[in-house]
Amino acid sequence: SQTIHQWPATLVQPVGSPLSLECTVEGTSNPNLYWYRQAAGRGLQLLFYSVGIGQISSEVPQNLSASRPQDRQFILSSKKLLLSDSGFYLCAWSVGRARYEQYFGPGTRLTVT
Amino acid sequence: ILNVEQSPQSLHVQEGDSTNFTCSFPSSNFYALHWYRWETAKSPEALFVMTLNGDEKKKGRISATLNTKEGYSYLYIKGSQPEDSATYLCAFWASGGSNYKLTFGKGTLLTVNP
Repeated sequence: SQTIHQWPATLVQPVGSPLSLECTVEGTSNPNLYWYRQAAGRGLQLLFYSVGIGQISSEVPQNLSASRPQDRQFILSSKKLLLSDSGFYLCAWSVGRARYEQYFGPGTRLTVT
Repeated sequence: ILNVEQSPQSLHVQEGDSTNFTCSFPSSNFYALHWYRWETAKSPEALFVMTLNGDEKKKGRISATLNTKEGYSYLYIKGSQPEDSATYLCAFWASGGSNYKLTFGKGTLLTVNP
């Protein structure tokens, strides 16, 4: 069966510091991968999605970036965090053409101080 | 911009009560609607994926209905238990070749008091 891992589970970082969140998927090949964020008082917002290695699409302009160095690895990064980057970050996967059937990882709670 | 609305924003019920909440979405270009259950500190758990107008799905004490013509879905919980306490999210997937994302509502936070 497929499983998805995210780490770290929680993170407290000062403004201006870098960020790296990692997501890996097991039990499937060539998944579609997604990064979502839920900020306080808002719904889940899609940040990035990837349909293959090295293929990244950005949904919202911001100071975050994403990379997919391996088939089942998706990384969310920032060079300098802003206070507004605080939130709950979720990685998700889907397979093939059923992109609407997405399954989520456990998430990372990021607090920027 | 697609708008997905959920109501109420939060709900408190007593153990044993039945409850329901609503998800409203655009009635045009409908392809699929998801319901997720999201407990604190856990992953959102997929409850239902609904694609056909008039669909009705059931999982234990939880059921959902879908009306794509008028753009709404109801989620029902029969005989609520404290372990049902969670945020319930709906997400809309539009049809169209360029579509690529789920649009989420803000969720309904359900608290079931013992």
